[in-house]
Amino acid sequence: GENVEQHPSTLSVQEGDSAVIKCTYSDSASNYFPWYKQELGKRPQLIIDIRSNVGEKKDQRIAVTLNKTAKHFSLHITETQPEDSAVYFCAASKQVQGAQKLVFGQGTRLTINP
Amino acid sequence: EAGVTQFPSHSVIEKGQTVTLRCDPISGHDNLYWYRRVMGKEIKFLLHFVKESKQDESGMPNNRFLAERTGGTYSTLKVQPAELEDSGVYFCASSQQPTGELFFGEGSRLTVL
Repeated sequence: GENVEQHPSTLSVQEGDSAVIKCTYSDSASNYFPWYKQELGKRPQLIIDIRSNVGEKKDQRIAVTLNKTAKHFSLHITETQPEDSAVYFCAASKQVQGAQKLVFGQGTRLTINP
Repeated sequence: EAGVTQFPSHSVIEKGQTVTLRCDPISGHDNLYWYRRVMGKEIKFLLHFVKESKQDESGMPNNRFLAERTGGTYSTLKVQPAELEDSGVYFCASSQQPTGELFFGEGSRLTVL
């Protein structure tokens, strides 16, 4: 089955700097790669996603890149702000029986230092 | 619009006891998922309902776990009898389409002593 590895497990950056979180996946049939942000005590929320027919997607300060050949994808946050502090989860999935079954990475705790 | 709600937010029980977790998905969402995060590890899939039917229960760890969704609305996840390794955060998520965005609840933290 699919296996997703996420690095680093913790990341601390100065406010205003950039943060990069990387994930690798094992199943070449995976075609959907969402990123979820979980703030302390709150629910995981989708912040950006990418499908395998696209190499990069941007939404304001957040971007995701996908390298299908190498089977890895990354989350880039620029001009980080204190409210970016959270745990970030990557995931990979493919359609199984008509549904997307997400396989998550282990999570990255991002801390933005003022 | 109300989001996915889960109850209880935290449950502390002793080994061997029973716990039932409840999830109310977003109204109109036929797809309901249960996930679990154990000890800071990855969020792992447990099972997927489409309305009242179990579409995929390949992630259920063993027969001590029973999930139901009678009537296709809310769902319950029962652990009986609970073991120490069942401790973790149990997330419920729902989506309108099977390949659509998943909306998560805040999770139910289970502590088994």
